[in-house]
Amino acid sequence: ERVMTQSPASLSVSPGDRASLSCRASQSINSALAWYQQKPGQPPRLLIYEASIRATGVPARFSGSGSGTEFTLTISSLQSEDFALYYCQQYNSWPSFGQGTRLEIK
Amino acid sequence: EVQLLESGGDLVQPGGSLRLSCATSGFTFSSYAMGWVRQGPGKGLEWIATISGSGVSTYHADSLRGRFTISRDSSKNTTYLQIDSLRPEDTALYYCARDHYLVGPTLFDFWGQGTLVTVAS
Repeated sequence: ERVMTQSPASLSVSPGDRASLSCRASQSINSALAWYQQKPGQPPRLLIYEASIRATGVPARFSGSGSGTEFTLTISSLQSEDFALYYCQQYNSWPSFGQGTRLEIK
Repeated sequence: EVQLLESGGDLVQPGGSLRLSCATSGFTFSSYAMGWVRQGPGKGLEWIATISGSGVSTYHADSLRGRFTISRDSSKNTTYLQIDSLRPEDTALYYCARDHYLVGPTLFDFWGQGTLVTVAS
């Protein structure tokens, strides 16, 4: 089982600033990683897959990087609508999710 | 427009069974695998099962295998999740999601709003 660990658990950032969220896999997953955004009362929304490919309609301020075991989601110039919960998910083997990072307004 | 609509969630007693449904529209159903993911109250996401676009192949999380069974009906563009021997820890919002690929299980590009399953006496 691939265990996914996200850090930090929560992150306070000011609007307009840059945020970097980390996700670590317990063993190599190559580039089989997706990032999701979830807002209260809503289902997850796919942002990034294959570690760095933006899903359809996702703004360019969202970018993903990494391979192997270390991955990063970067949000440049945070907008008010970006403050939410973010999950990473690996699909190199049976899918598993990280525990999430809550992005809060500073 | 891709749409997924779950139904079938309910309050059930421990040991009971439920069948959840996920009606879909807006895409060629047989071209995509479909999956179920659950989220316990205040908790993270847990993958349950995925079924290939043809319905021939199914994949279930090891920890849930035996009590959860995924299936699909191409004539109704609907995916199902049968849950048996329900336990209080199965209480969660159950999401239906479209896999990004034909076979799966991989990542999920469209999600329904979820259906709530509560297990309590």
